[in-house]
Amino acid sequence: AQSVTQLGSHVSVSEGALVLLRCNYSSSVPPYLFWYVQYPNQGLQLLLKYTSAATLVKGINGFEAEFKKSETSFHLTKPSAHMSDAAEYFCAVTEIGGNQFYFGTGTSLTVIP
Amino acid sequence: DVKVTQSSRYLVKRTGEKVFLECVQDMDHENMFWYRQDPGLGLRLIYFSYDVKMKEKGDIPEGYSVSREKKERFSLILESASTNQTSMYLCASSRQYTGELFFGEGSRLTVL
Repeated sequence: AQSVTQLGSHVSVSEGALVLLRCNYSSSVPPYLFWYVQYPNQGLQLLLKYTSAATLVKGINGFEAEFKKSETSFHLTKPSAHMSDAAEYFCAVTEIGGNQFYFGTGTSLTVIP
Repeated sequence: DVKVTQSSRYLVKRTGEKVFLECVQDMDHENMFWYRQDPGLGLRLIYFSYDVKMKEKGDIPEGYSVSREKKERFSLILESASTNQTSMYLCASSRQYTGELFFGEGSRLTVL
């Protein structure tokens, strides 16, 4: 089975600072990769996805992520944090052609004014 | 706009009660999933279904059952609720083999 590791269950950044949320996956075959965001008391919403096209993927709200096969990583970044970015972020993976998804344990992002 | 709708946002039940959580999707997706979300544990898969009347156990199926009689509807059943089933329950759906889960708003269940 796949596994997903998100380093740092809590990350705090100042408003305007760089956001970096880390995600590593275990797979010998490049999978499909996703980042989801969850605002309080809501479901998960897709931020961006990698499906074996360009390795740098742009998503909504100014977020992007880079797939690095050699590092088995898919870290999420945003150049300048906004207060509205405060949320829980989940990295997820699924095998190409598969139907099961594997989630990391999530990273809670706090943005300090 | 595509939608996954969970019937109840907040429920409070007593130990031993039978609980039904309903989920409906309007995207004609083949796959539907039930996850449980707890702080520090992320999302854990309870059951999923890839077709009508088909179901597969996920990582934590104990104490739960599911029903999928129609393609758009996937129900999660707690036959006899226990306090350790107090949690947020998330329903999701996806198209077969093409990735991307679409989530409902979640159902927060408290068992007293």
